[in-house]
Amino acid sequence: QKEVEQNSGPLSVPEGAIASLNCTYSDRVSQSFFWYRQYSGKSPELIMSIYSNGDKEDGRFTAQLNKASQYVSLLIRDSQPSDSATYLCAVNFWGIYGGSQGNLIFGKGTKLSVKP
Amino acid sequence: DGGITQSPKYLFRKEGQNVTLSCEQNLNHDAMYWYRQDPGQGLRLIYYSQIVNDFQKGDIAEGYSVSREKKESFPLTVTSAQKNPTAFYLCASSKGVIYQETQYFGPGTRLLVL
Repeated sequence: QKEVEQNSGPLSVPEGAIASLNCTYSDRVSQSFFWYRQYSGKSPELIMSIYSNGDKEDGRFTAQLNKASQYVSLLIRDSQPSDSATYLCAVNFWGIYGGSQGNLIFGKGTKLSVKP
Repeated sequence: DGGITQSPKYLFRKEGQNVTLSCEQNLNHDAMYWYRQDPGQGLRLIYYSQIVNDFQKGDIAEGYSVSREKKESFPLTVTSAQKNPTAFYLCASSKGVIYQETQYFGPGTRLLVL
């Protein structure tokens, strides 16, 4: 059973602070990882994807991947009230012979609240 | 503008009724997906299709049916066999179904039971 776990929150941070969102997954087989942001009542929108160990930066967002420890995180620097949303972690698990298993497995999401 | 459209935005279903949710994309993507989202829950895969005239069941396919007659279109029918259909339904697409393919989502359809 392939699983993706996230702390449901809510995670509350003051405006201008760094928000740290974490995600763990169950399977060591090679994978690709995605972070989506979902505002209340709206559909998910892609923030970042990451495929290799280490950090990947895009503006105020940094994704960090550690395959040995089976976790991926998203850091949001200089958090703004407009960042208040639910953040979904998604993992594409590969088969043992390579190739996608065919779909993304989503965590339940972490709700972030940025206070002015 | 390229993107994914879903209609209607809201849909009401009566007991025993089948309803069909529309999903269209003009991104020239090969793969399309249907997910269901319940409050406080993650997305769960209903069906996906990698190519025209072919589709695969996801984790919660019971009570749903799909077709893929055109590359651009992947409609979802919620049948009367689905006893708890109230949810937010999301359609997504990707270039293909390989390990690095990013999925992009439509705006969603909210289904309510009368």
